[in-house]
Amino acid sequence: SQQGEEDPQALSIQEGENATMNCSYKTSINNLQWYRQNSGRGLVHLILIRSNEREKHSGRLRVTLDTSKKSSSLLITASRAADTASYFCATDAWGAQKLVFGQGTRLTINP
Amino acid sequence: EPEVTQTPSHQVTQMGQEVILRCVPISNHLYFYWYRQILGQKVEFLVSFYNNEISEKSEIFDDQFSVERPDGSNFTLKIRSTKLEDSAMYFCASQNRVGYGYTFGSGTRLTVV
Repeated sequence: SQQGEEDPQALSIQEGENATMNCSYKTSINNLQWYRQNSGRGLVHLILIRSNEREKHSGRLRVTLDTSKKSSSLLITASRAADTASYFCATDAWGAQKLVFGQGTRLTINP
Repeated sequence: EPEVTQTPSHQVTQMGQEVILRCVPISNHLYFYWYRQILGQKVEFLVSFYNNEISEKSEIFDDQFSVERPDGSNFTLKIRSTKLEDSAMYFCASQNRVGYGYTFGSGTRLTVV
């Protein structure tokens, strides 16, 4: 399959701490995207990083991409209770008109 | 901010019945998708649609499934004869350009009994 693993599967931290989630994939990609899903709700696009980019920031989010290792990380700084959700990485491969999602990381921020 | 709208939010159907899930993508988007998520599992690609044709489909998208864009605004997913294993959250998504982010709807939770 195109997608590898996300880790950790679940992460629980205190409010104010940083949260780091990792994603690995198997094939060549055009871009990699991160999405958030609140329990039972839709997917919200957070950030997209292209294969020729190494790092991208958006507010409290920082995404890195290492194409040589086929891996990405999502860092959420200064976490808030409202960040509690599942986070998914999804890869968009060259020539494929679809996203392939990872299993996701369930993040819990404790007040 | 423009949204992708899905209706209904929840549908319960008897096994063997036909269901139609409806989506209104963002108006200037050109690429449309259906994904599904079985409870507790990852999001799976079903089908992509562009220029009134299917661009790509997964193994899940067998002859029981079909998609249509009947009137230039709605995008529908039909399941002809539902099975218990079709129970899942179904997400519609649209995209302005290939290689850019997707906008997902809030999903339709389909329960087959």
